[in-house]
Amino acid sequence: DQQVKQNSPSLSVQEGRISILNCDYTNSMFDYFLWYKKYPAEGPTFLISISSIKDKNEDGRFTVFLNKSAKHLSLHIVPSQPGDSAVYFCAASATTSGTYKYIFGTGTRLKVLA
Amino acid sequence: DSGVTQTPKHLITATGQRVTLRCSPRSGDLSVYWYQQSLDQGLQFLIQYYNGEERAKGNILERFSAQQFPDLHSELNLSSLELGDSALYFCASSVRDISYNEQFFGPGTRLTVL
Repeated sequence: DQQVKQNSPSLSVQEGRISILNCDYTNSMFDYFLWYKKYPAEGPTFLISISSIKDKNEDGRFTVFLNKSAKHLSLHIVPSQPGDSAVYFCAASATTSGTYKYIFGTGTRLKVLA
Repeated sequence: DSGVTQTPKHLITATGQRVTLRCSPRSGDLSVYWYQQSLDQGLQFLIQYYNGEERAKGNILERFSAQQFPDLHSELNLSSLELGDSALYFCASSVRDISYNEQFFGPGTRLTVL
């Protein structure tokens, strides 16, 4: 049972345009969400997070939007740069559950074309 | 460089064998997490330790075990290895054991079971 789903395995975007990566979840107990970026031969690195008390969080070129009613979050990258080419994972956590684990999606490979 | 180190980087072994993967967390981090990433799969949470004690368990097989030592480094032991255990194994660390803490990932150990 995949509680966190990233239905697009890959995405190609032109440099300078907007990249939108999507993530859906099924567990209504999830209340904290994160995005991680992963380059080849490296471990994932934290990008941005959002708590369920917010519907938007922004950090430079990266914005995460959360739609709780739809159980959907998205990561917007504007403008996209070739260095953004990587695999992006979304992750979710139920902070009130008493456990401290993240559930990760399967990732979306973003390719930014120069 | 996340500050989390994992050894070895690569490991090739045969079915039925036993291996040990090692992780040193960032200085000051008390919590260690282990993840498995199989081909085209997301990061599957295996187990978490905090200051030497097991805190959360994911989909970890009975053939797998882990521990965290007094110096806070952690080892993941995989026994009776099967072909399907071939994967990237990541270790992550965080300061505390609460979900809001960002996890810092090591570069991973690639295990190949022949």
